[in-house]
Amino acid sequence: GDSVTQMEGPVTLSEEAFLTINCTYTATGYPSLFWYVQYPGEGLQLLLKATKADDKGSNKGFEATYRKETTSFHLEKGSVQVSDSAVYFCALIGNNNDMRFGAGTRLTVKP
Amino acid sequence: DTEVTQTPKHLVMGMTNKKSLKCEQHMGHRAMYWYKQKAKKPPELMFVYSYEKLSINESVPSRFSPECPNSSLLNLHLHALQPEDSALYLCASSQRLMDLAKNIQYFGAGTRLSVL
Repeated sequence: GDSVTQMEGPVTLSEEAFLTINCTYTATGYPSLFWYVQYPGEGLQLLLKATKADDKGSNKGFEATYRKETTSFHLEKGSVQVSDSAVYFCALIGNNNDMRFGAGTRLTVKP
Repeated sequence: DTEVTQTPKHLVMGMTNKKSLKCEQHMGHRAMYWYKQKAKKPPELMFVYSYEKLSINESVPSRFSPECPNSSLLNLHLHALQPEDSALYLCASSQRLMDLAKNIQYFGAGTRLSVL
């Protein structure tokens, strides 16, 4: 079945550092891909999405590009802030319309 | 407005209690979801409603009983829960279930449930 694999955390960075969180997927057909963010004690917020190959999703300085050739959707940000500390989930919705989440990556940004 | 509202935010209940979790959205979405999230884990799908009808039940124990009284509301009735059911329960909604482009899910903040 469809699945998502994320890099294991936790990830700890200093403020203004460059962030990459790797995400790869396995799916038949052409899934839609998502990054969700969960701040401490809260629900999930949609961060960005891409619905077809080569689409780039972007929001709040975060970007991810749907790469079908490498089945990847890596999350990047050029300069992280303390307020970006959260858990980030990569997810997909495939042909069966089920959402599959990765395990989540905890990011801590230190001043 | 992309808001999904869940109440209560926190709930403590005993194993013999009956309680309900509520979820509301006014985005005109016709698909609504319940997820369970244990600490440091991703959300796990429990139920999906499409046009107020139960579409998916991921083999959830009968002590969890979902209800969708109208297109804006989703309830989760709880009875005779076990301590291992303690978790964050998340509600989500999307425009349409069977349309990939319209299936972006918006989540509520969740109800943190503790079963004693």
